[in-house]
Amino acid sequence: KAGVTQTPRYLIKTRGQQVTLSCSPISGHRSVSWYQQTPGQGLQFLFEYFSETQRNKGNFPGRFSGRQFSNSRSEMNVSTLELGDSALYLCASSLSGGVRTGELFFGEGSRLTVL
Amino acid sequence: KNEVEQSPQNLTAQEGEFITINCSYSVGISALHWLQQHPGGGIVSLFMLSSGKKKHGRLIATINIQEKHSSLHITASHPRDSAVYICAVVGLDGGSQGNLIFGKGTKLSVKP
Repeated sequence: KAGVTQTPRYLIKTRGQQVTLSCSPISGHRSVSWYQQTPGQGLQFLFEYFSETQRNKGNFPGRFSGRQFSNSRSEMNVSTLELGDSALYLCASSLSGGVRTGELFFGEGSRLTVL
Repeated sequence: KNEVEQSPQNLTAQEGEFITINCSYSVGISALHWLQQHPGGGIVSLFMLSSGKKKHGRLIATINIQEKHSSLHITASHPRDSAVYICAVVGLDGGSQGNLIFGKGTKLSVKP
């Protein structure tokens, strides 16, 4: 059974650009959640999607957005990139309970560098 | 003050030792996750708890909802247990309801 797949694994952008990251969950999983990890702040929750609807959202500015498609694949978008957005972005999938009640399966992450 | 505090921040142990990592939180929660992150970034879910105790192999996790405290125990530690262990709680109230709030992690190094 394939795990959670995130693409791209590495990318470099410049300030002001935008970026889209993709997450393909484990087959049958309906919940996808996104996280940002930096050396200074550690892991922070971005948002969670379930059945194409945003279920929860962390404390991030509106430049951070996401969506989920009918096949449960999810994308997150960061617009007007800032240097502080450089981070490892992780997604996790779960059967149905999501972060509240389910086991989380993490992808390897997308490492974003903003120059 | 962080809503989720872990102790210790760093821990060095000899192979075979019994290890305890603590997590205290100040918010109402509906569940608590223990995660393991190896060098290179991959994160593995170890436990999801809402009450009581769970055991998986050499790992044991406990939670006391009244005291707002959870512990992760590793029995007969091994060098392959070397990793960062992260506690994360699922908020129950207000703006953090349903959100994951993370501790800063405990870096464990087990020497042979």
